[in-house]
Amino acid sequence: GAVVSQHPSWVICKSGTSVKIECRSLDFQATTMFWYRQFPKQSLMLMATSNEGSKATYEQGVEKDKFLINHASLTLSTLTVTSAHPEDSSFYICSADRAVGELFFGEGSRLTVL
Amino acid sequence: AQSVAQPEDQVNVAEGNPLTVKCTYSVSGNPYLFWYVQYPNRGLQFLLKYITGDNLVKGSYGFEAEFNKSQTSFHLKKPSALVSDSALYFCAVRDKAAGNKLTFGGGTRVLVKP
Repeated sequence: GAVVSQHPSWVICKSGTSVKIECRSLDFQATTMFWYRQFPKQSLMLMATSNEGSKATYEQGVEKDKFLINHASLTLSTLTVTSAHPEDSSFYICSADRAVGELFFGEGSRLTVL
Repeated sequence: AQSVAQPEDQVNVAEGNPLTVKCTYSVSGNPYLFWYVQYPNRGLQFLLKYITGDNLVKGSYGFEAEFNKSQTSFHLKKPSALVSDSALYFCAVRDKAAGNKLTFGGGTRVLVKP
C-alpha cells in the first residue's frame, strides 16, 4: 500500500522556539495533504488543507501565522509551529491524498513544548 | 455540514465474541465512508471504505462494515474479536460537497479481554 512518512516522530523543544514537521508521500504524488491535531483521548481535528503550489486552506480557529504550512512539491508538505508554547503540545498527523477515496496517514509527530 | 457520530466511547468484549463499533453519519451528498484504527502513539491505519457498490464491505484483519443508507449508519463488525484488536477506532466521512475533507467521529476505544 501507499506510504506516508512523517518526521520527526517525537520532538521536545523549549518555549518560544519553532519546530518543523515533514510529511512525505513516498511512492505517489499528492496534490493535497491534510494536517490534523489530536489531543489525548480525543479525535482528530483538521487544521488545514495543504495544496501543492498554492496557499494552504486553514480551518476556522486555526492561526495561520502560528501554524505555517508549505507544500513545495507533490511529495512534501511541512508544518512549522512557530514560537511554540506548552499549549501547542499535541500529536500532529498528516495525510496525503492519492486519489479521491484513498487517503493515507503518516505515523504522527508528538510535540512536547517545555 | 457533514458530521460523524460514534455513540460509544468504549466497547468491551471478550475474546472470541463478536465485535460491533457503531457509526452514524450526516452528509449533504453521497458519502464516502471509512474506518481507521489507531494504536497508542501511532498514526491511523486504514481498515476499509465504502464508496459505492455492495453495502457490505470487507476490509483488513477480518473487519467488515455495512453501509445502511436509510439509517445513515456504517457500523464496523468483526465476527470473533482478538485481544490484539484492542485499540482506538475512528469512523470518517468524506463528502465532495465539503471539498473532500475527511471528518472524523469522536473515536471508540475497544477493549478485548482474554
